[in-house]
Amino acid sequence: EVQLVESGGGLVKPGGSLRLSCAASGFTFSDTWMIWVRQAPGKGLEWVGRVKSKTNGGTADYAAPVKGRFTISRDDSENTLYLQMNSLKTEDTGAYYCTTRFCSGTSCWDEAFDIWGRGTVVTVSS
Amino acid sequence: QSALTQPASVSGSPGQSITISCTGTSSDVGRFNYVSWYQQHPGKVPKLMIYEVTNRPSGVSSRFSGSKSGNTASLTISGLQAEDEADYYCNSYTSSNTLVVFGGGTKLTVL
Repeated sequence: EVQLVESGGGLVKPGGSLRLSCAASGFTFSDTWMIWVRQAPGKGLEWVGRVKSKTNGGTADYAAPVKGRFTISRDDSENTLYLQMNSLKTEDTGAYYCTTRFCSGTSCWDEAFDIWGRGTVVTVSS
Repeated sequence: QSALTQPASVSGSPGQSITISCTGTSSDVGRFNYVSWYQQHPGKVPKLMIYEVTNRPSGVSSRFSGSKSGNTASLTISGLQAEDEADYYCNSYTSSNTLVVFGGGTKLTVL
């Protein structure tokens, strides 16, 4: 069964740090570009960033609001995606989802995300 | 404020058709044919409904269709069913440093 399971969320004070994990199963994780998307309470979706597969360089890209504070990494030996969040702000509060870049055949689409985890909730509050 | 603009809500009766708009700029929707649409039921995770403006992933009903004109993309749902009641989000690839931007979401109510 194709599955993504996030963990690591919780309550943290402004300025603090948190590391989220996303365990993948049921597909070839190492070949898959992985993305983090977040959703503030009662609000819309927001792209946080992505990490490419190692065969495509393994580099990460970030949304402007989190660049310099968040780091996305992957451990292909453990089929796990990470999101290290530092200097957290109250506006970082929300549910964090890991998701996969959609591919069909040999084509992939950077804006299309098909497999989603159930999310983990981060609350930044004093 | 979201980068892409969607109406906050739309409604329709069973069997009718509705269209949800998603307006961006010449840096995103207007520049790239990389617009996707997602359906999210309350308490559930988003589901990919449309990609690359007009394409449906396997398993998505043909009642869902996408289109684009200029800086505005649209999602049309025909033959509305009660199960279509959900939030719908568009997104687009963008030439800005933030590679992908989402719309603020539209709540669809089936009357």
